[in-house]
Amino acid sequence: AQSVSQHNHHVILSEAASLELGCNYSYGGTVNLFWYVQYPGQHLQLLLKYFSGDPLVKGIKGFEAEFIKSKFSFNLRKPSVQWSDTAEYFCAFLERALTFGSGTRLQVQP
Amino acid sequence: GAGVSQSPSNKVTEKGKDVELRCDPISGHTALYWYRQSLGQGLEFLIYFQGNSAPDKSGLPSDRFSAERTGGSVSTLTIQRTQQEDSAVYLCASSLLASRETQYFGPGTRLLVL
Repeated sequence: AQSVSQHNHHVILSEAASLELGCNYSYGGTVNLFWYVQYPGQHLQLLLKYFSGDPLVKGIKGFEAEFIKSKFSFNLRKPSVQWSDTAEYFCAFLERALTFGSGTRLQVQP
Repeated sequence: GAGVSQSPSNKVTEKGKDVELRCDPISGHTALYWYRQSLGQGLEFLIYFQGNSAPDKSGLPSDRFSAERTGGSVSTLTIQRTQQEDSAVYLCASSLLASRETQYFGPGTRLLVL
């Protein structure tokens, strides 16, 4: 079965710092990859998704992710984080349903 | 428009009791998913309904768990003889179709088994 690994469990950054959250997946076939975010007290919501085409995917709120097939990676990036980006971030792989990574808790300090 | 709704938002029950959790998907969405989120296990898939097809039950952790979807809309997740390890947030999601469609999540039901 496919698996998704997120290596950073808890990240603390100051505002305006750059962000990169790691995500690796194990599946070698056609990939459907997602990043979801869960703000404190809110629902899971989609940040961005990749199915095919341009490996650099733009999402909401200035987030982007790069699919690198040779590295089985789909890392999430943002050039300059804001306090409002404090949340938990989940990478996920879709086959019949979503398989999630363990999540990364991001804390942005003002 | 309305998003995915779930009820109750919180449920406290005693070990051994049965519980029912409800999910109202977004109108017109044919695919419905149940996941649970717990401290020890993270986010796990439980069961998936697509249209009138037989549900994919491969994620259900035991035969105490079951789910049904009536009329292709509302779904109920039932946990029989609850155990303390069933304590978690149970999330429902729906999508317009299955496969590659964005799943929209509800707020979840927080279940505590004493």
